[in-house]
Amino acid sequence: GIQVEQSPPDLILQEGANSTLRCNFSDSVNNLQWFHQNPWGQLINLFYIPSGTKQNGRLSATTVATERYSLLYISSSQTTDSGVYFCAVERYTGNQFYFGTGTSLTVIP
Amino acid sequence: DTGVSQDPRHKITKRGQNVTFRCDPISEHNRLYWYRQTLGQGPEFLTYFQNEAQLEKSRLLSDRFSAERPKGSFSTLEIQRTEQGDSAMYLCASSLVPVVVYEQYFGPGTRLTVT
Repeated sequence: GIQVEQSPPDLILQEGANSTLRCNFSDSVNNLQWFHQNPWGQLINLFYIPSGTKQNGRLSATTVATERYSLLYISSSQTTDSGVYFCAVERYTGNQFYFGTGTSLTVIP
Repeated sequence: DTGVSQDPRHKITKRGQNVTFRCDPISEHNRLYWYRQTLGQGPEFLTYFQNEAQLEKSRLLSDRFSAERPKGSFSTLEIQRTEQGDSAMYLCASSLVPVVVYEQYFGPGTRLTVT
């Protein structure tokens, strides 16, 4: 399988601060997605980003496929951003995802 | 467009009992996946279906686990003779292949507690 490492494992931020979450993966992939898992366990799609850069409001993501990493940027963090952020990759489109162990983010007011 | 739904959301059972979970994917999606997530870990793949055909099974899926997707619509995951180690969140996801922009969409999960 593909090894996926996320860093940092835990992050505590003051509301309004910016942060960068990193995802490294061990092999070439066809698909990469970022998810936010809320306190009730629901995985919410943030980005489908096998390569390049995307932005959605205060969030943006960049994947450098040739160097096997992806970054998730959160700007002007809010308490509602708290939760666990997962990076997931697929070797072949439509097959299984390999997940990292996540970054647990806590935003304090 | 409704999302992926799972039922029940929570299940408490005694060791040795059988349990069955249901997943209803997004209606036009042809692929359906099951994952298991334990505390502090990312989800781990169990199995997936293309329409009604089960195409891949993880080594995590022991003989006590069986999954079906009759008629390529909803899916069920059954665990026989549950053990305490089966306690986890069971997540279902669906996707449509082949498409240009491909994503898996997850349901809310079924949290299983084996006592």
